[in-house]
Amino acid sequence: SQQGEEDPQALSIQEGENATMNCSYKTSINNLQWYRQNSGRGLVHLILIRSNEREKHSGRLRVTLDTSKKSSSLLITASRAADTASYFCATALANQAGTALIFGKGTTLSVSS
Amino acid sequence: DTEVTQTPKHLVMGMTNKKSLKCEQHMGHRAMYWYKQKAKKPPELMFVYSYEKLSINESVPSRFSPECPNSSLLNLHLHALQPEDSALYLCASSLLYSQGENEQFFGPGTRLTVL
Repeated sequence: SQQGEEDPQALSIQEGENATMNCSYKTSINNLQWYRQNSGRGLVHLILIRSNEREKHSGRLRVTLDTSKKSSSLLITASRAADTASYFCATALANQAGTALIFGKGTTLSVSS
Repeated sequence: DTEVTQTPKHLVMGMTNKKSLKCEQHMGHRAMYWYKQKAKKPPELMFVYSYEKLSINESVPSRFSPECPNSSLLNLHLHALQPEDSALYLCASSLLYSQGENEQFFGPGTRLTVL
């Protein structure tokens, strides 16, 4: 079963507004990553937050992680039309020597100008 | 070079055909992955290669056969596919296969249609 579940499934905003996406997961993790995918293309890594971190920033991106609630959020500030894409959280399961990422269902973000 | 390339970009094949997907990276990564992605769904892991050895096979049907000839190349051989196998096939690589610490670099994918 999928580890991560994002909400909302779809989000439509105007340019300049902030976009917040949430991800919940079920079991202990080593880290959580966020990826972006433009329509029909490959995924692009955005940010990685480790299980012992609570918040991380990268440019207009802010990610939080609450391991007690098993949840993470991705905030995109001052959104642009180019931010239109699907966003996936991906978890790396803990306590395994080599682990693969398990992707959540994703949030589709539409930013209109 | 921080790019993962995949060929072909599009592939249409019949159920009796044999075809191969190719993936290449020159970043010195020692882990490579195949994912399958259906429309409006997340990528699903198929195979993981670590140091050219198969580490994970996620119960993928034998009509999909992966091959890692060297550290830069990853192939996916296709034979006797079904129409439900139509999807975007994504290749990815990461520095190492170790507790998911390393970000994965994805190729643009091969859009496969099985008739």
